[in-house]
Amino acid sequence: EVLMTQSPATLSVSPGERATLSCRASQSVGINLAWYQQKPGQAPRLLISGASNRATATPARFSGSGSGTDFTLTISSLQSEDFAIYYCQQYLHWPPLTFGQGTKVEIK
Amino acid sequence: QVQLVESGGGVVQPGTSLRLSCVGSGLSLSSFAMHWVRQAPGKGLEWVAAISFDGSDKSYADSVRGRITISRDNGKSTIYLEMNSLTPEDTAIYFCAKSKMSLYYDLWGQGTLVTVSS
Repeated sequence: EVLMTQSPATLSVSPGERATLSCRASQSVGINLAWYQQKPGQAPRLLISGASNRATATPARFSGSGSGTDFTLTISSLQSEDFAIYYCQQYLHWPPLTFGQGTKVEIK
Repeated sequence: QVQLVESGGGVVQPGTSLRLSCVGSGLSLSSFAMHWVRQAPGKGLEWVAAISFDGSDKSYADSVRGRITISRDNGKSTIYLEMNSLTPEDTAIYFCAKSKMSLYYDLWGQGTLVTVSS
């Protein structure tokens, strides 16, 4: 099973600032990495697939990078609607498909 | 509007069974692999089960294998999750999710809550 580790667990950021979230895989997953955003009481929403490909409705301020075992989600200028929990998921080695434990982005 | 709609959750006693359903609205699910992902209260996401577009291949997480069965009826655009021998550790919101050839999820349902408690 591929273990996905996200850091930090909580990120306190002021609106307008840049946020950088990390995700590390216990073995290489190539670029088979997705990022999701989840707001309270809602289902997750796909932001990024293929490590760096924004989904149709994902704003350009979100960018993903990395390959192999180390990945980053960057939000260039945080908007109020971006405060949420972010999960990474690898989809190369399965079953099982595995998620990170999440990073909560909160208002500083 | 394209959406997935889950149903069937509720409060049940340990050791009992429950069947969840997920209906595709505004889209046919027959071309897609479908998954169930769960989220325990205040916790992260856990993949539970997957079924291929035609139902010929099924996969399960170790935590549920032998107790849970995923199935589908493409004629009804519906996915099912039959859960048996439920324990309090199965308490979670259960989401169905659609994937393409690559196994990331481009569409999620709103989830249905399963609470296992005596």
